[in-house]
Amino acid sequence: EAAVTQSPRNKVAVTGGKVTLSCNQTNNHNNMYWYRQDTGHGLRLIHYSYGAGSTEKGDIPDGYKASRPSQENFSLILELATPSQTSVYFCASRIANTEVFFGKGTRLTVV
Amino acid sequence: GEQVEQRPPHLSVREGDSAIIICTYTDSATAYFSWYKQEAGAGLQLLMSVLSNVDRKEEQGLTVLLNKKDKRLSLNLTAAHPGDSAVYFCAAPSYGGSGNKLIFGTGTLLSVKP
Repeated sequence: EAAVTQSPRNKVAVTGGKVTLSCNQTNNHNNMYWYRQDTGHGLRLIHYSYGAGSTEKGDIPDGYKASRPSQENFSLILELATPSQTSVYFCASRIANTEVFFGKGTRLTVV
Repeated sequence: GEQVEQRPPHLSVREGDSAIIICTYTDSATAYFSWYKQEAGAGLQLLMSVLSNVDRKEEQGLTVLLNKKDKRLSLNLTAAHPGDSAVYFCAAPSYGGSGNKLIFGTGTLLSVKP
């Protein structure tokens, strides 16, 4: 079964600090996604990628950058973390128009 | 692009009862739909995907109905049990605007009481 691994699983960061969330998949999936999940909003797409070297803005990209250095890895970067970015972040991957596989999530708290 | 609405936000049923969650969507060109289950503190688990040329799909006590005329998708848990307690999300791909991505409903918190 397809596996998506996120790290860290939990993170506490200080306001103004830099945070990097990592995602790795060994399924050779082209498409990768970063979502955040907040009560009352469901899952909202931050950034996504079609393949190595590609990053695209999702619905709520402000305050976030993404990096796809390889097919396997997709990172989400918060250059200047703010308390409003406290959330649970999910990485996902899929190939073309098929099922999406999710990681187990990263709980980020910005204090 | 696609927009998805999901209801109800909360649903409480007794063990053995059925539970029905409904999503409506806007893009008639959507090719497939998915249902996900999220247990407390966990990631999203794919329950079932259906192609748009399928009206009904059943798997392991779950029934998905797709009404293309009304642009409505439903998930029916027949004979729910406490282990079904979780948040359920529907999802549909969106191909317009900024590209190929999944749009999620806002989720339904299902509680199944013994």
